[in-house]
Amino acid sequence: NAGVTQTPKFQVLKTGQSMTLQCAQDMNHEYMSWYRQDPGMGLRLIHYSVGAGITDQGEVPNGYNVSRSTTEDFPLRLLSAAPSQTSVYFCASTRGGGSSYEQYFGPGTRLTVT
Amino acid sequence: AQSVSQHNHHVILSEAASLELGCNYSYGGTVNLFWYVQYPGQHLQLLLKNFSGDPLVKGIKGFEAEFIKSKFSFNLRKPSVQWSDTAEYFCAVNAPTGRRALTFGSGTRLQVQP
Repeated sequence: NAGVTQTPKFQVLKTGQSMTLQCAQDMNHEYMSWYRQDPGMGLRLIHYSVGAGITDQGEVPNGYNVSRSTTEDFPLRLLSAAPSQTSVYFCASTRGGGSSYEQYFGPGTRLTVT
Repeated sequence: AQSVSQHNHHVILSEAASLELGCNYSYGGTVNLFWYVQYPGQHLQLLLKNFSGDPLVKGIKGFEAEFIKSKFSFNLRKPSVQWSDTAEYFCAVNAPTGRRALTFGSGTRLQVQP
């Protein structure tokens, strides 16, 4: 049981390039989400998905695209990278609701856009 | 919409000192409350959570949190910190009836000096 995995761990992009950050979970959770972490701002929600084929926007969705074709995978796409997207990106998978609710975070991807 | 404020951005303590990190949230209804910890270079881990509105909840590694509903506060405490507690601490909330993403505070960096 690997939990939540993310690749790559580090990435450097030039402005205007596109790329996909991969996220996978093996816990059969329906709910997955992407956050970005910036100094002094905590984690902010980019996009989330409540199940295969269903995605929605979070607080800071501009410049990012997501899809959810399977329960396991939830990739995040940067369409045209900008320096403002330099950040650490965390994928999370959520178990249950009510008192059994818990979010499991991946190890993160550190992205630098030059 | 929910919001979370963490008052202390950077705290420096000596080993064996007591710790209290403040967290206030803004939301008109019932919320679930969380504290996460991020050790250097690692992903977020759950320290403790409060789903039932208990005034005091205990978590892992000797941490506890006091919930004061009238003050919309959920403060993290530890009687005696260790050098290994050096990390960043995040308070987070979510509404049990809403989407399952978390709203995070900006984080508090704790540095424990030996």
